[in-house]
Amino acid sequence: GAVVSQHPSRVICKSGTSVKIECRSLDFQATTMFWYRQFPKKSLMLMATSNEGSKATYEQGVEKDKFLINHASLTLSTLTVTSAHPEDSSFYICSARGGLGGDTEAFFGQGTRLTVV
Amino acid sequence: GQNIDQPTEMTATEGAIVQINCTYQTSGFNGLFWYQQHAGEAPTFLSYNVLDGLEEKGRFSSFLSRSKGYSYLLLKELQMKDSASYLCAVVDSNYQLIWGAGTKLIIKP
Repeated sequence: GAVVSQHPSRVICKSGTSVKIECRSLDFQATTMFWYRQFPKKSLMLMATSNEGSKATYEQGVEKDKFLINHASLTLSTLTVTSAHPEDSSFYICSARGGLGGDTEAFFGQGTRLTVV
Repeated sequence: GQNIDQPTEMTATEGAIVQINCTYQTSGFNGLFWYQQHAGEAPTFLSYNVLDGLEEKGRFSSFLSRSKGYSYLLLKELQMKDSASYLCAVVDSNYQLIWGAGTKLIIKP
C-alpha cells in the first residue's frame, strides 16, 4: 500500500512555543489530507480536512488560529500547534487520500506524540 | 448535516463473535470503509463496501445496506489481539471521506 510519513514521531516542547508536524505522502499525490487528535484511551477526533491549494476545513470546536494547517503541495501537509499549552499534549495523526474515487482509501501516518511541559 | 453513528464501546469474549454497527446519513454515498486502530498506533485498512451485501475476509466480514444507511463489521473467533478501535468512514457525493468516532472493542478472556 501507499506510504504516509509523519514527522516527528515524538516531540517535547515548552509551554508557549510552537510545534510543526509534517505529513508526507511518499509514493502518491495526496489530494486530501486529514488531521486527527487522540487522547489516551479515546477514539480519533477529526480536527480538519485539507485539500491541496485551498484552506483547511476545521471541525466544530477546533481553533483554526491555534492549529494551523497548510497543504501547499500534493505530497506535504503541515500542522502547526501555536503557543502550545499542556492541554495540547496529545497524539496527532495525519492521513492522506490519493484520489477522489469512492474506493480511494486513506493511508495513515505513524502519528506524533506531543508533550507540552 | 452529515452523520456517522457507531457505538462508543463494546465488550466481547475471546473466541466469540461480535458485530459492530455503523449507521450513516450523508449527502450521497460512494462507498464505506472500515479501519482498525490499536492503541498508540495508526489505523489500518480493513474493508471497503460500495455494493449491498456481505464481503468476507478471513475472520472479518463487512456488510452494507445502502437503502438502510447501515453497515456492520463482523469479527469471528475473537482473539485478544482484536482489542482495538474500529472506525467507520463513508465517502459522500463529493467524494469526501466522513469519519465516525470509532468503536472501542474490549476482548475479555
